[in-house]
Amino acid sequence: QSVLTQPPSASGTPGQRVTISCSGSSSNIGRNTVNWYQQLPGTAPKLLIYNNNQRPSGVPDRFSGSKSGTSASLAISGLQSEDETDYYCAAWDDSLTGWVFGGGTKLTVL
Amino acid sequence: QVQLQQSGPGLVKPSQTLLFTCVISGDSVSSKSAAWNWIRQSPSRGLEWLGRTYYRSKWYYEYAVSVKGRITINSDTSKNQFSLQLNSVTPEDTAVYYCASLGGRDVFDVWGQGTMVTVSS
Repeated sequence: QSVLTQPPSASGTPGQRVTISCSGSSSNIGRNTVNWYQQLPGTAPKLLIYNNNQRPSGVPDRFSGSKSGTSASLAISGLQSEDETDYYCAAWDDSLTGWVFGGGTKLTVL
Repeated sequence: QVQLQQSGPGLVKPSQTLLFTCVISGDSVSSKSAAWNWIRQSPSRGLEWLGRTYYRSKWYYEYAVSVKGRITINSDTSKNQFSLQLNSVTPEDTAVYYCASLGGRDVFDVWGQGTMVTVSS
């Protein structure tokens, strides 16, 4: 069981906006920034959002992140078929003294 | 551009030791702004951070609670690489293992190619 809680699945139609939640606690999201990773099948995770809401260069502005209290969210607007893959949140946990991840959300574009 | 090339076994017997190495190019294992990590991924446990090493005037080695006591991470400056040793493996350790760098933005920005390890007799 992952320390950060994500819904196992999410879905939307092309052009729609979808959000993926990530719930934690005061020892991780409540105190530290959240990063989001996108993982295509058979590949390593790729950084999508860092520091709660920052996009690395090359990541489309359709992807955005936010954080409030002990929860964070990833929003994808203008959904495209190539967005259909797995998404993970991550944060440092001060109590565990280590990085923790969400269980991942599989996004389906209907 | 930093690249990580990892190597290790695909099959390990229960109770044996799993050993991986990760060779760094484009940066130094002694970098004072990076940390070098091991992460694994399995259907049952998801993404799991195992530990890291970094140099800040001295070497630091930090391990996840879940594997503490069985894990050792080493750094080798002569070969510019770091390694993972996991002892007394069980089928629960079956996973894809990744090495990854943690850069200045506190993110896992570069990953190795990943290696599937099966623990089975």
